[in-house]
Amino acid sequence: KQEVTQIPAALSVPEGENLVLNCSFTDSAIYNLQWFRQDPGKGLTSLLLIQSSQREQTSGRLNASLDKSSGRSTLYIAASQPGDSATYLCAVRDNYGQNFVFGPGTRLSVLP
Amino acid sequence: DTAVSQTPKYLVTQMGNDKSIKCEQNLGHDTMYWYKQDSKKFLKIMFSYNNKELIINETVPNRFSPKSPDKAHLNLHINSLELGDSAVYFCADPGLESHEQYFGPGTRLTVT
Repeated sequence: KQEVTQIPAALSVPEGENLVLNCSFTDSAIYNLQWFRQDPGKGLTSLLLIQSSQREQTSGRLNASLDKSSGRSTLYIAASQPGDSATYLCAVRDNYGQNFVFGPGTRLSVLP
Repeated sequence: DTAVSQTPKYLVTQMGNDKSIKCEQNLGHDTMYWYKQDSKKFLKIMFSYNNKELIINETVPNRFSPKSPDKAHLNLHINSLELGDSAVYFCADPGLESHEQYFGPGTRLTVT
């Protein structure tokens, strides 16, 4: 059974810092991995999608990497801003394409 | 246009009542999901529904039932509501296998 964990559970950094969020999964037979952002009381916004054959994806200040064999993904945020404060969730899609498993999320606070 | 929409955004009701949450997607895909996010923010899949066929039911009580009047809609019916049903419920379109998953804005259900 696939399990997804995220470290750290919470992170507080001053504005301008670069930071890394970690996601680990137990079963490497995944189809893809997706990073989401969730603001308090809001829905999920897709940030980056990495296919199992890819190593990384970039969007603006965000860079996500995937090491499928070791069951890890990282989300790198450059030059963090207070507006980046949110909970970040990773989710893996299994090889059948039908099942998604989410991590518990990392709550990020960027202090001005 | 919003890819996935849900109504209502908030729902407060008493124990024992029956309620429904509506979901609509305009992406033209065949599969829709329902997720539950509990007070600890864990997001877990409840149902996967593909062309009127229930594919996944992750240990969800049979008081919960998805109803799809047409391809674009997957409504969630809940009978005999219990206090533990209080949570945020998200409808999602998992997209094609290589594509992003899109979430609705969520419905915060409070059972008193």
